[in-house]
Amino acid sequence: EPEVTQTPSHQVTQMGQEVILRCVPISNHLYFYWYRQILGQKVEFLVSFYNNEISEKSEIFDDQFSVERPDGSNFTLKIRSTKLEDSAMYFCASSDLAGGPNEQFFGPGTRLTVL
Amino acid sequence: GQNIDQPTEMTATEGAIVQINCTYQTSGFNGLFWYQQHAGEAPTFLSYNVLDGLEEKGRFSSFLSRSKGYSYLLLKELQMKDSASYLCAVKNDYKLSFGAGTTVTVRA
Repeated sequence: EPEVTQTPSHQVTQMGQEVILRCVPISNHLYFYWYRQILGQKVEFLVSFYNNEISEKSEIFDDQFSVERPDGSNFTLKIRSTKLEDSAMYFCASSDLAGGPNEQFFGPGTRLTVL
Repeated sequence: GQNIDQPTEMTATEGAIVQINCTYQTSGFNGLFWYQQHAGEAPTFLSYNVLDGLEEKGRFSSFLSRSKGYSYLLLKELQMKDSASYLCAVKNDYKLSFGAGTTVTVRA
């Protein structure tokens, strides 16, 4: 069964450093998303991406965040200068269409720890 | 803004039925999803409602009333493996807005 994959599973970084979280969405999907979940809190939307551009972003997704689809398979989230409060589980998701019952399939997540 | 409320915790006995309620007030609505999330894992899709009424999928059913801003997830014949967090999420344009989740503990 096709699935979303994410690497690494766990990333530890120092405050102020840049990190890149990587995702491989399901191959025939067109819409890509990043969500985050701070430990013990709810899942929060960060950004959606379609046709090589951001279609929607939340207020969390400020200038220190960026997304890219560098090739036909990868989808990345870059955090330019990490802060302690960026420590969270980051989930990538993809869907074949945006509307209707088209579910978003979530990857296993990358746990980011900022020290 | 988005406001999605669901109970924090519920406990039930193996074989029983549990109903998890979700109320929402959102700026837009393109459907309501229920996801299951085991600790440390990704959310996995359970059900979707966009029209009022009941959707049944095996042991799981979900109900929606758009006029009341209300949904519930019904879990029947509970099994130990159903112990997890259940997330109510409202779709608006591209994004899902999640509730805080309801942790269900199934006891033998």
